[in-house]
Amino acid sequence: RKEVEQDPGPFNVPEGATVAFNCTYSNSASQSFFWYRQDCRKEPKLLMSVYSSGNEDGRFTAQLNRASQYISLLIRDSKLSDSATYLCVVTFTGGGNKLTFGTGTQLKVEL
Amino acid sequence: DVKVTQSSRYLVKRTGEKVFLECVQDMDHENMFWYRQDPGLGLRLIYFSYDVKMKEKGDIPEGYSVSREKKERFSLILESASTNQTSMYLCASSLVAGDGYTFGSGTRLTVV
Repeated sequence: RKEVEQDPGPFNVPEGATVAFNCTYSNSASQSFFWYRQDCRKEPKLLMSVYSSGNEDGRFTAQLNRASQYISLLIRDSKLSDSATYLCVVTFTGGGNKLTFGTGTQLKVEL
Repeated sequence: DVKVTQSSRYLVKRTGEKVFLECVQDMDHENMFWYRQDPGLGLRLIYFSYDVKMKEKGDIPEGYSVSREKKERFSLILESASTNQTSMYLCASSLVAGDGYTFGSGTRLTVV
């Protein structure tokens, strides 16, 4: 079983739609959680950290469910510019500073 | 903003060549990492370093080595390039444990 699993998609949604991605992780000793965004042929960039209490940044909301070992990302009022691959990222206790990446979920926002 | 610079955006090398990929960060970060990214496999950790002259193997170190002689520079070395090392190579750095990374723009290496 992969340490971090994501549905690869693609998720094709119309502009203005609300879309949600889930990500599951296998190690219950996971410590830190992030969502990264990666545009085609570009490097990943940190979108937001995910805290136990959840957090919101504009149209983006991230949630953590430790009991079920998943994190989620909700995007409201999707824009064409949101089209990208979204990477779920986790650090594990005993894993030092290393981040473990999911393979990503592709989002395509269409007119 | 932290800047992580990778020396080449695109490289084409021949099988058996020794290849050096350079990465420099300008914000005095302790931690530096090398990943490769392949379709369907995501990012996989090759090597990382928490300090000068310190290195640790990641998940796929075979066929690679690294050098960290200065804090700001972390080099990835392909001792004898092979076609299965054709990939996108990404360098990253972070300040503290558990922090998010800043990535370089990547080096797309093709081994022919």
